[in-house]
Amino acid sequence: DTAVSQTPKYLVTQMGNDKSIKCEQNLGHDTMYWYKQDSKKFLKIMFSYNNKELIINETVPNRFSPKSPDKAHLNLHINSLELGDSAVYFCASSQDPTSGDHKETQYFGPGTRLLVL
Amino acid sequence: AQTVTQSQPEMSVQEAETVTLSCTYDTSESDYYLFWYKQPPSRQMILVIRQEAYKQQNATENRFSVNFQKAAKSFSLKISDSQLGDAAMYFCAYRRAGNQFYFGTGTSLTVIP
Repeated sequence: DTAVSQTPKYLVTQMGNDKSIKCEQNLGHDTMYWYKQDSKKFLKIMFSYNNKELIINETVPNRFSPKSPDKAHLNLHINSLELGDSAVYFCASSQDPTSGDHKETQYFGPGTRLLVL
Repeated sequence: AQTVTQSQPEMSVQEAETVTLSCTYDTSESDYYLFWYKQPPSRQMILVIRQEAYKQQNATENRFSVNFQKAAKSFSLKISDSQLGDAAMYFCAYRRAGNQFYFGTGTSLTVIP
């Protein structure tokens, strides 16, 4: 009963390819996120998305796009992959806080390690 | 803009000893949440402890406790009786009202046997 799951766990691909990473959460949360963690382990927010609003970090290239088929899924599409895209990508989810139920906490998926050759 | 600062890129502690990881944040809001996450070599992000800003009492979870100083905008993590399994990267995080989270740059903790 994994709370936030991502597939694939590892992704090795050639420069110039297009790839997708899938994310699903079964927590009933209304907001999902994508983060990029580089080799120095800095966590960088890429997107946050709920059914009302998509917030894009302005530094994220438009080759990256989130796609949400429904409230429980937020997939990440990457076009024309570059060497610098190699990183670990984390999906996460949370909900607007309600007193006492810990829903203000952000829960993370296991990460997808992307290597672009 | 909200920022979270972890001024200690690396820390080390002897097994069974106590270590404190520091975190400061910048905000003009009065209602928010603070978190510490642990990231072991497996890369999984694991919630360690959380604190609501409106609660004066410091949160504790077994060997983990925080020192929350709201006026000073400080949120340090104390790990007591350190164990080898505590070795990891630790991230401090701030959540404002709404759905925006802000993370620090992390502190790498080494536990020396």
